[in-house]
Amino acid sequence: GAVVSQHPSWVICKSGTSVKIECRSLDFQATTMFWYRQFPKQSLMLMATSNEGSKATYEQGVEKDKFLINHASLTLSTLTVTSAHPEDSSFYICSALSRGPRGYNEQFFGPGTRLTVL
Amino acid sequence: GQSLEQPSEVTAVEGAIVQINCTYQTSGFYGLSWYQQHDGGAPTFLSYNALDGLEETGRFSSFLSRSDSYGYLLLQELQMKDSASYFCAVRDPGEGFQKLVFGTGTRLLVSP
Repeated sequence: GAVVSQHPSWVICKSGTSVKIECRSLDFQATTMFWYRQFPKQSLMLMATSNEGSKATYEQGVEKDKFLINHASLTLSTLTVTSAHPEDSSFYICSALSRGPRGYNEQFFGPGTRLTVL
Repeated sequence: GQSLEQPSEVTAVEGAIVQINCTYQTSGFYGLSWYQQHDGGAPTFLSYNALDGLEETGRFSSFLSRSDSYGYLLLQELQMKDSASYFCAVRDPGEGFQKLVFGTGTRLLVSP
């Protein structure tokens, strides 16, 4: 149980274009999902918290107009990188919050999406 | 804010024991978690300490000392497949302690 998928697993795009990344909870409903960005050999940095039916909460320094998050259903959150530039090239990982086997809420992570902007 | 420091890299040989340390500074504390991440993969949960002491899960154990703001992950009987990055993480008070703040990460290299 508690499986999270992401699509696509990798994407290459031209500078200036927009890219949409999907995060789905496959066997559970998640009112809260999180989006992280990870540069090579660095840690995961939280970008935003996505809540179903409401606006996302962005971390300090993350441009909300550039990284559009939509959490339209209990199983799907999307991250759209608008007008992507080479510096946006990174590994984007989502997670979904659910009650885990240990009895408390845990984050279950998707496999990540590798974005390369040329 | 929250900050967690880890050694950047640790090397060891198969069969050995290795300890990965984590020191943290937090404005509120709700337990210390450990995650493993292979290159290009998703972080996977390893262990969680809410209280002081040692938690054992198979070959992996995790220790917490809240008074010292310190924890460690102990990996025993190392295998080649344990080569990965390891992150400690704490829950941020924001969003009802549901947000995770990750440490700087430790890359473990296991050699034959």
